[in-house]
Amino acid sequence: NAGVTQTPKFQVLKTGQSMTLQCAQDMNHNSMYWYRQDPGMGLRLIYYSASEGTTDKGEVPNGYNVSRLNKREFSLRLESAAPSQTSVYFCASSAPHGDTQYFGPGTRLTVL
Amino acid sequence: QKEVEQNSGPLSVPEGAIASLNCTYSDRGSQSFFWYRQYSGKSPELIMSIYSNGDKEDGRFTAQLNKASQYVSLLIRDSQPSDSATYLCAVKPMNTGFQKLVFGTGTRLLVSP
Repeated sequence: NAGVTQTPKFQVLKTGQSMTLQCAQDMNHNSMYWYRQDPGMGLRLIYYSASEGTTDKGEVPNGYNVSRLNKREFSLRLESAAPSQTSVYFCASSAPHGDTQYFGPGTRLTVL
Repeated sequence: QKEVEQNSGPLSVPEGAIASLNCTYSDRGSQSFFWYRQYSGKSPELIMSIYSNGDKEDGRFTAQLNKASQYVSLLIRDSQPSDSATYLCAVKPMNTGFQKLVFGTGTRLLVSP
């Protein structure tokens, strides 16, 4: 089992460029999440997906879109990157009726 | 008031000592509490979960929950340099209706040899 995987590990963008962060889990979890982590701010929820076919906004959704492609995959898209989106992005998943979240290795994104 | 508060540290302890990490939360109805460890440049990994008042022990780690006072703590006995990391407290508020967790900003622990 690979658990939760994320690609890419690192990315540098220029302001205004777009990109998609990919996340996949092989634990047959229903729920998936996208967080960003900034110094002094902790982990903040961007979007989450309770189950395949559903997505909802979290605490900081502005500037992002998500797609729950199937049960395994949950992608995060930045349509027009801004320097304020420089951060470390983590994907996580959790089992049905379970509270424990399992995290992927993260993507370090820099927007110049 | 933040939903989950932690002292950012660093908390410095000598090897072999007990490290005590604390967390307070604002939602009195919260039911589930978690401690995650995060090494520098790595992702958070679950150490312990606790749901009932009292202590829960797992090896060198003990989680303590006091719902009346709205705090949860993590004790690390016989601290090792390998325990040096940031420890994140996470709480599931009662009113989320879903498995959303609210994270504190973390406490950095430094264990010196």
